Amino acid sequence: EDKVVQSPLSLVVHEGDTVTLNCSYEVTNFRSLLWYKQEKKAPTFLFMLTSSGIEKKSGRLSSILDKKELFSILNITATQTGDSAVYLCARTQGGSEKLVFGKGTKLTVNP
Amino acid sequence: DTGVSQDPRHKITKRGQNVTFRCDPISEHNRLYWYRQTLGQGPEFLTYFQNEAQLEKSRLLSDRFSAERPKGSFSTLEIQRTEQGDSAMYLCATGRFGELFFGEGSRLTVL
Repeated sequence: EDKVVQSPLSLVVHEGDTVTLNCSYEVTNFRSLLWYKQEKKAPTFLFMLTSSGIEKKSGRLSSILDKKELFSILNITATQTGDSAVYLCARTQGGSEKLVFGKGTKLTVNP
Repeated sequence: DTGVSQDPRHKITKRGQNVTFRCDPISEHNRLYWYRQTLGQGPEFLTYFQNEAQLEKSRLLSDRFSAERPKGSFSTLEIQRTEQGDSAMYLCATGRFGELFFGEGSRLTVL
């Protein structure tokens, strides 16, 4: 099945640092790329990206998609301990409702 | 709390037994999804309903798995003759086009 690969798998930073999480994908008939945050149980929605080069922002988080190179990045500036979580990337394709997730990046923000 | 409720939150069973999980979605969402997540992996798609119709099912889903959504409201996921490899978190979600709201999940442990 077409893959979603996230890197790094794990990352430890100090409060205040800026981090960049990477997601590359392979899919035919691409529709969207999504980011989720999973702290303990349920993943929570962050962003959905469908167009290249258009940055989406929410507070200290931002994300952008490159459909030519088939990747997306998630940036978190001025990290806080509350940002500690697993960040999941997923893609969808036309003709299907399913999300295909990567393994996630486990981010730990130390005080 | 996303408004998606799952029950039970944790189920321990012996190999060979049948188990059933229930999901109560956000009432105005007509799309409902089941995912399975194991440690260190992203959620894996199982099946999708639009109202009461099961429109998509993973090829990975064996005949021991069945899901229903009578009347287009709550949904159940049944696993027959459980195996140790079925141990996982079973997540229900509602929404559309990737912007999904996940429940807290039902954790299954097969001994």
